[in-house]
Amino acid sequence: EDQVTQSPEALRLQEGESSSLNCSYTVSGLRGLFWYRQDPGKGPEFLFTLYSAGEEKEKERLKATLTKKESFLHITAPKPEDSATYLCAVQVPGGTSYGKLTFGQGTILTVHP
Amino acid sequence: GAVVSQHPSWVICKSGTSVKIECRSLDFQATTMFWYRQFPKQSLMLMATSNEGSKATYEQGVEKDKFLINHASLTLSTLTVTSAHPEDSSFYICSANRGPGSPLHFGNGTRLTVT
Repeated sequence: EDQVTQSPEALRLQEGESSSLNCSYTVSGLRGLFWYRQDPGKGPEFLFTLYSAGEEKEKERLKATLTKKESFLHITAPKPEDSATYLCAVQVPGGTSYGKLTFGQGTILTVHP
Repeated sequence: GAVVSQHPSWVICKSGTSVKIECRSLDFQATTMFWYRQFPKQSLMLMATSNEGSKATYEQGVEKDKFLINHASLTLSTLTVTSAHPEDSSFYICSANRGPGSPLHFGNGTRLTVT
């Protein structure tokens, strides 16, 4: 069974304090790993897609990396507006449901000014 | 800007009634859309895949007679929660992508409360 585990469950940072979020996955095969940001009461907002080990993507203060077993979302010098729940999801090969993502539980990030 | 639009954003209904939720793809055609559900403090779970012009595909454990899906056009899918009960109260989110290989974009969700 495909599994995605995110850690920590919650993370509290001071503004400017860099840190990383972890997403560990156990899958039969990986088509893609996705990072989303979700604000309270809203749908997830797409951030990154990673396809193969060693791949990195960057967007403003965020950088996502991928290995064969896990992905990290690095947040550099975070600001209060980066506060949100960050979701990791995997898509596996096979089947016709290419929109079927298996999500982790998410990491709730709070950045204090 | 938004890629997927969902309506309504919240709805309160009485037990036993039915509720319809709309999901539209903006500026692109989506032959397939996806309906997810999210319970408080839990992650998203795929409920069903909505296929334009054909029957929806439901995930294991999802009652197809309770959650009716209609995908009548290339830009619109609807989810109807029939004979709603309090345990159906949840956050329902639809999604679509521009095709295989492109990321899944989500609507802003519908908060359903059944009293």
